[in-house]
Amino acid sequence: QQQVKQSPQSLIVQKGGISIINCAYENTAFDYFPWYQQFPGKGPALLIAIRPDVSEKKEGRFTISFNKSAKQFSLHIMDSQPGDSATYFCAANSGGYQKVTFGTGTKLQVIP
Amino acid sequence: EPEVTQTPSHQVTQMGQEVILRCVPISNHLYFYWYRQILGQKVEFLVSFYNNEISEKSEIFDDQFSVERPDGSNFTLKIRSTKLEDSAMYFCASSENRAVNTEAFFGQGTRLTVV
Repeated sequence: QQQVKQSPQSLIVQKGGISIINCAYENTAFDYFPWYQQFPGKGPALLIAIRPDVSEKKEGRFTISFNKSAKQFSLHIMDSQPGDSATYFCAANSGGYQKVTFGTGTKLQVIP
Repeated sequence: EPEVTQTPSHQVTQMGQEVILRCVPISNHLYFYWYRQILGQKVEFLVSFYNNEISEKSEIFDDQFSVERPDGSNFTLKIRSTKLEDSAMYFCASSENRAVNTEAFFGQGTRLTVV
């Protein structure tokens, strides 16, 4: 019940295209849904996050869509760039303490 | 920009040996965490630490693991008797407070290889 399921495992997108990564959860106690970006040799870094009382959040080229009833959320990267090539983790947590439950990760490659 | 720093970047140890992984959290942060990432797998929570005691721990964090804040700046993870399956990237993180939407900042990780 603590799991966060993420797909796809890997994704190749052409420069300028839209990258879409999907996640689903079961635990209704989760109340915060961050996305992390991880470059090789680096730790995860917070990219964007959403609370479940909001259906969409946009920051620049990055948008989270959230469907509370379906317990699903997704990350859209518009106008994908080669510099976006990284591993993306969706995540969820609840009740503070930053015990973040991570998804399995999506390795994104944006090709010129 | 303040950052979480971890040392060493790579540690190789023999099975059964004790290892200590070190972290210097961001200076005004009060909450500290360890996560691990087995190669190619997801990042997993190990433990959170506040006010010199463990706040929460996962089932992974058994008696072989311990954490300590030995002074005002360092935060350490000790593995008493390493096993092959402890080989992973270990990430330290810190946050200002425990609010759910407070960002936790991650260090660059220590790659532990148990041989």
